Amino acid sequence: SQELEQSPQSLIVQEGKNLTINCTSSKTLYGLYWYKQKYGEGLIFLMMLQKGGEEKSHEKITAKLDEKKQQSSLHITASQPSHAGIYLCGAKRGNQGGKLIFGQGTELSVKP
Amino acid sequence: GAVVSQHPSWVICKSGTSVKIECRSLDFQATTMFWYRQFPKQSLMLMATSNEGSKATYEQGVEKDKFLINHASLTLSTLTVTSAHPEDSSFYICSAPPRRGPGETQYFGPGTRLLVL
Repeated sequence: SQELEQSPQSLIVQEGKNLTINCTSSKTLYGLYWYKQKYGEGLIFLMMLQKGGEEKSHEKITAKLDEKKQQSSLHITASQPSHAGIYLCGAKRGNQGGKLIFGQGTELSVKP
Repeated sequence: GAVVSQHPSWVICKSGTSVKIECRSLDFQATTMFWYRQFPKQSLMLMATSNEGSKATYEQGVEKDKFLINHASLTLSTLTVTSAHPEDSSFYICSAPPRRGPGETQYFGPGTRLLVL
């Protein structure tokens, strides 16, 4: 089974609509990363959350980490076609340096 | 900022041949690098940890004789897919840990797309 569960696996929204992607772990997260990717291309770092209850925003994207540090959500406000892509959550595996494990990814399509 | 490069960016080879992929840290030294594989419509799967001057550490289920990793210097790690077969076709990405501390992201390379015919 996946250590990090992302939902939904795919999402199609109309331009201008808000959306949320979730990332859930059965274990306490020591650091939770959100990335954006187009398949066949590198990862674009969005933000990192470490503390329970932490929330960060960048432009129209907001990410939160719950108090128990087992779930994170990524929220996009007023989506645009440029937001389309694959969103991946990644988590540190314990304290093992920079090793990350990833969720299955959420493929987002934004209809103009 | 820190940059990790990969070469080649894409490669097509015949079944049975070996392919070498390079991962370089361009303006910093990395004693550890990570190799990931990504199949279409799937997430990144950690394959192995490359350690400078010592043997690589492979994740469960990854064949070490199939995927040879060499971390010969502080700026270069190589992944060699030996006797490649069509099922090895995938997108391979390397990364280096953050330099300043745990609050930073890993530095990911742009990836190498491998197609085995």
